[in-house]
Amino acid sequence: GDSVTQMEGPVTLSEEAFLTINCTYTATGYPSLFWYVQYPGEGLQLLLKATKADDKGSNKGFEATYRKETTSFHLEKGSVQVSDSAVYFCALSPFSGGYNKLIFGAGTRLAVHP
Amino acid sequence: NAGVTQTPKFRVLKTGQSMTLLCAQDMNHEYMYWYRQDPGMGLRLIHYSVGEGTTAKGEVPDGYNVSRLKKQNFLLGLESAAPSQTSVYFCASSYTSVQNEQYFGPGTRLTVT
Repeated sequence: GDSVTQMEGPVTLSEEAFLTINCTYTATGYPSLFWYVQYPGEGLQLLLKATKADDKGSNKGFEATYRKETTSFHLEKGSVQVSDSAVYFCALSPFSGGYNKLIFGAGTRLAVHP
Repeated sequence: NAGVTQTPKFRVLKTGQSMTLLCAQDMNHEYMYWYRQDPGMGLRLIHYSVGEGTTAKGEVPDGYNVSRLKKQNFLLGLESAAPSQTSVYFCASSYTSVQNEQYFGPGTRLTVT
């Protein structure tokens, strides 16, 4: 079945460091791909998305490119801030999900220190 | 516009007790969802609804029941709580278009002792 695999955390970085969080997926057809972020004590918020191959999603300095050839959707940011500390979830929506089904990865915790 | 709200925020139950979690959304969304979040497992779908009066099972439905009597509300019930149901529960809602964004509530932390 469809699935999402994320790199295990926690990821610990100093402020202004470069961030990469790896995400790979298994799915039939052409799923849409998402990154959600969960700040401490809050629900999930959509960070960015891409709906077809080679699309690049971007928001708040974060980027991810839909790579069908490598079935990947890695999250990157050039210079992280302390306020980026959160848990990041990669997710996919199958091509024929019907009810807007989302399949989530396990999440990667990011801690950014001053 | 409050978005998605959940009641209560925290709850402690004893094994065998029952409770209902309430989710409300004011965005006129057709679709609503209940997830549970456990460490290292991401979010798993419990039940969902594609419209008022309809419900369906998700990935982990056992031990839970749901009702969608009004479009804006989606209730999650635990009839006889078990320690394995200790988790954080999230409600979400979305428009009907395929692959649209889901909007999440702040969560309910439930502990079953």
